[in-house]
Amino acid sequence: AQSVTQLGSHVSVSEGALVLLRCNYSSSVPPYLFWYVQYPNQGLQLLLKYTTGATLVKGINGFEAEFKKSETSFHLTKPSAHMSDAAEYFCAPKGGAQKLVFGQGTRLTINP
Amino acid sequence: EAEVAQSPRYKITEKSQAVAFWCDPISGHATLYWYRQILGQGPELLVQFQDESVVDDSQLPKDRFSAERLKGVDSTLKIQPAELGDSAMYLCASSRTSGSSYEQYFGPGTRLTVT
Repeated sequence: AQSVTQLGSHVSVSEGALVLLRCNYSSSVPPYLFWYVQYPNQGLQLLLKYTTGATLVKGINGFEAEFKKSETSFHLTKPSAHMSDAAEYFCAPKGGAQKLVFGQGTRLTINP
Repeated sequence: EAEVAQSPRYKITEKSQAVAFWCDPISGHATLYWYRQILGQGPELLVQFQDESVVDDSQLPKDRFSAERLKGVDSTLKIQPAELGDSAMYLCASSRTSGSSYEQYFGPGTRLTVT
């Protein structure tokens, strides 16, 4: 069964610094991979997704992620953090039929 | 842009009372999901519908939780009786089925507090 690990439940960076949120998944089967963002007391919003093709995927709000099959990773990055990026981020590989498996989440804090 | 609608946004109820949540998915989305999200954790799938049929309810506490999607469109999740441990965010999501990349679209959620 598919599983996912997000390293670091809490990441803190300064405004303007690089953001790196780590995600590793378990399945050796080529996956579909998603990153979602959740602001306080709101639902989840899709940031980006990898299905097939180019392994570097660009999403909304300046975020991007790279699928690395050899490392079973799908880390999320943003070159320059903004205060509005403060939120909870979830990595979610495809599980069974029409299912996503959500990680525990990483809370991103931006310091002024 | 079409969105998933949920109501209410917030609900406070006393232990042992009944509570119900409503979800209206994006038009044309055949698959509907109910998730429970405990504070500080990722969403946990409670039930998955394909049209009006339950596809997966293996994590639904069936002694107190029930879900229905009678006409294959909107859905209701019920808890009776509510327990203190049910306090959480309840999220509804929907997705297309055919030709899908498995992307799920989420509603704003219902924050339940059981006192």
